Parts: sequence; structure tokens; C-alpha cells
Amino acid sequence: NAGVTQTPKFRVLKTGQSMTLLCAQDMNHEYMYWYRQDPGMGLRLIHYSVGEGTTAKGEVPDGYNVSRLKKQNFLLGLESAAPSQTSVYFCASEDPNTGELFFGEGSRLTVL
Amino acid sequence: AQSVTQLGSHVSVSEGALVLLRCNYSSSVPPYLFWYVQYPNQGLQLLLKYTSAATLVKGINGFEAEFKKSETSFHLTKPSAHMSDAAEYFCAVSENTNAGKSTFGDGTTLTVKP
Repeated sequence: NAGVTQTPKFRVLKTGQSMTLLCAQDMNHEYMYWYRQDPGMGLRLIHYSVGEGTTAKGEVPDGYNVSRLKKQNFLLGLESAAPSQTSVYFCASEDPNTGELFFGEGSRLTVL
Repeated sequence: AQSVTQLGSHVSVSEGALVLLRCNYSSSVPPYLFWYVQYPNQGLQLLLKYTSAATLVKGINGFEAEFKKSETSFHLTKPSAHMSDAAEYFCAVSENTNAGKSTFGDGTTLTVKP
């Protein structure tokens, strides 16, 4: 009963390095989302996807890229990490029938 | 445009006391409203949602919220707090059925004292 799985859970990067966060869901949901959560703030939408092969920008897309090559996977990439991207990243998928979001456990990224 | 304000970043109650977490929203169309709970080192979990049916919405773990259009509010309540309710709570508003494109509040941390 996996639901939404994020990897890795923790990562430390140096400024300028690149990395990819993987989100996988086993609920056959079309809609998937990437958020960042910073202290004292709610979630902010980075990018989202309404289906395989489609992506769109959210509220804070700069510095991030995404891909949805397979329906079950949604990848978030940082091409050149900056300290401002230190955050906890959450992935979610949406049940279209109920509108309920299912979240992963988060990926904590530190950029030095 | 949609926005949400959670009044009080920290709320502390005694075990068995009433829990009241406040949320006010702004929306240019009839809103969809949500409350989520986040336990330490976990993702958010849906507590309840309002989608223009009954104004009093019951959720999981004994929580409920009332939609008041005149006050643009969607406050979360629970009659009797339990230690396991200690967590961070987020209110969110959406102007369409895509819950994932909601605007989230800054969160309220609930502490429950024994």
C-alpha cells in the first residue's frame, strides 16, 4: 500500500550542483504536483502535471524543471542548485473523483 | 485571485479542551476549502473539505469545520483535544476542483498540554 513515494528523503548539495527528485505513485492518478515547504509558510506549487507527457508551471517554477514521461512518475530537477532552494519538497497526486490529495513523506534538500 | 489567512501560528490547549483553529479566505468565485494535518516528518493528510454541499463539514479524527460565507471563514474545531492531535494544520482554498492548485495558509501548530 505504497501510495506516493519520494526519493531521496534527504540530500545535501553544493551550490551549482544538479539533482533530480523522483516521485512515484501507484494509484493511477492523472494529476501530480510538486511543492516546496519553507518554515512558517504553507506549501507553494512549483510545477504540476495533468497527465503523461504534460507539465505546467506553478507559483514558484524558476530554477526547477520537471518531466512526466510515465504516468506513475513525476520528476523534479534542479539544474544548478542555489542556497535559496534549501527546502522540504513534497509531491502529491490527486484523486479525480474526490479531489483528495495524497502526499509523499517529503524530501529534505540542503544547498550549501 | 484566491488567498487564505490562518490566524495564529501557534495554538496551545489542554487535553480535553476545545480546539479552534481559524481560517479566513478570499476568493473571486465560490471556493473549495480544505483542512490538512501534518505530523512531524510526514506529508499532509486531508482532514476535511467543503465543496458547496453542507456548510458544516465533518472530517476524520473528530474534527469539523463550518463554512460561513458572510464571514469568509472556515474555522476548524474539535470538542475535546487529544494528545495525538498535536500537529501542524493547514487551511487551503481553491477556485476550481483541482485541489492541487490550492493556495495554502501558513499553518497553525497545535500543542496539546497534558
